Amino acid sequence: DTAVSQTPKYLVTQMGNDKSIKCEQNLGHDTMYWYKQDSKKFLKIMFSYNNKELIINETVPNRFSPKSPDKAHLNLHINSLELGDSAVYFCASSQVRSGNTIYFGEGSWLTVV
Amino acid sequence: EDQVTQSPEALRLQEGESSSLNCSYTVSGLRGLFWYRQDPGKGPEFLFTLYSAGEEKEKERLKATLTKKESFLHITAPKPEDSATYLCAVQTYGGSQGNLIFGKGTKLSVKP
Repeated sequence: DTAVSQTPKYLVTQMGNDKSIKCEQNLGHDTMYWYKQDSKKFLKIMFSYNNKELIINETVPNRFSPKSPDKAHLNLHINSLELGDSAVYFCASSQVRSGNTIYFGEGSWLTVV
Repeated sequence: EDQVTQSPEALRLQEGESSSLNCSYTVSGLRGLFWYRQDPGKGPEFLFTLYSAGEEKEKERLKATLTKKESFLHITAPKPEDSATYLCAVQTYGGSQGNLIFGKGTKLSVKP
């Protein structure tokens, strides 16, 4: 069983469109994250949610918005997509009280054309 | 500013040729140092967490060590299946608990 799963794995879309990436974790973790890996393979945090509260937002444009319907899901919505948004987006989760090891999903490859 | 630097960027080894990867860090206060492995087209896979200088952890052919300024990932007698990008990341007391600061990784290739 996949611990952290995200869909879609590949997404090609035009500039200006709005898209969403879904994420689910079945580890019972209390915190979920979105990380972005750019063309230089550099991983950087975008958001995290703990108990349905946003606790990190690292200089991410407000076109990006995380939505968490419950503790097991954290979806990423992106409005008015730009060419520079092309990257790999990773969902992750952790249990803060148990060492806080962060486990990642397989990634969603977003290409904006 | 908190920083993580990994070296070398790329490393080519022959099967059985042991070596080490370096991760040097400059942080305000280290909460933990993490090693991950990333295969092409996959997400980072957790390997180790180190919390204090002098700590060591082992898993199969991999051994991670930590000092106050850097961490090493030692690979003993590597096999072709060890080929991957190895990522180092730190969590700090100054940042939020989930904020992993990553290095750019070392791409390891092991030839048979």
